[in-house]
Amino acid sequence: DAGVIQSPRHEVTEMGQEVTLRCKPISGHDYLFWYRQTMMRGLELLIYFNNNVPIDDSGMPEDRFSAKMPNASFSTLKIQPSEPRDSAVYFCASSFRGAANYGYTFGSGTRLTVV
Amino acid sequence: GDSVTQMEGPVTLSEEAFLTINCTYTATGYPSLFWYVQYPGEGLQLLLKATKADDKGSNKGFEATYRKETTSFHLEKGSVQVSDSAVYFCALTGANSKLTFGKGITLSVRP
Repeated sequence: DAGVIQSPRHEVTEMGQEVTLRCKPISGHDYLFWYRQTMMRGLELLIYFNNNVPIDDSGMPEDRFSAKMPNASFSTLKIQPSEPRDSAVYFCASSFRGAANYGYTFGSGTRLTVV
Repeated sequence: GDSVTQMEGPVTLSEEAFLTINCTYTATGYPSLFWYVQYPGEGLQLLLKATKADDKGSNKGFEATYRKETTSFHLEKGSVQVSDSAVYFCALTGANSKLTFGKGITLSVRP
């Protein structure tokens, strides 16, 4: 298996533009998580899905952020409009039957810079 | 709610030194405990785990024992290498399938 695949690896965009981050989880995994990592705040859980259904989006910072999972093999995180304070590394992770026995498998992340 | 507390960093050691990174947790019920490692420019990788009290997780020379009486899961390695330089995260999961992470600690190993 190729692991969790995220694209793009790096994204530089201007303030006010729409940004879409993409994630392909490991085949057969039924949970998908989106995290944001910054020096100031560490790792923050933004939203997670179970069987393509959003379960908890309480970590989504504001209405500018949205996430979808149209099928078991694809998810997107969209920021519209983007702001400089959104600059961070965004990680996607997936797991099988939750984290209790197997933990998560993380992607390599998307480094977003908003100028 | 669930929480994980890691010792403050960063930590700098010489090669072949003994490593201990402290981790304590607060959780209801019986969480599973994890250590993740993040190498520069990469995502987090599962290093080891323990799913019940007194379990010992081990991998790549690292060990951690699930201590319910002290609510701890300290990470240890007898002899660190330069290649162990990374950020280490302690984490737990409870009944809701979410991982709760500590803040992470940066380890630098000098040759």
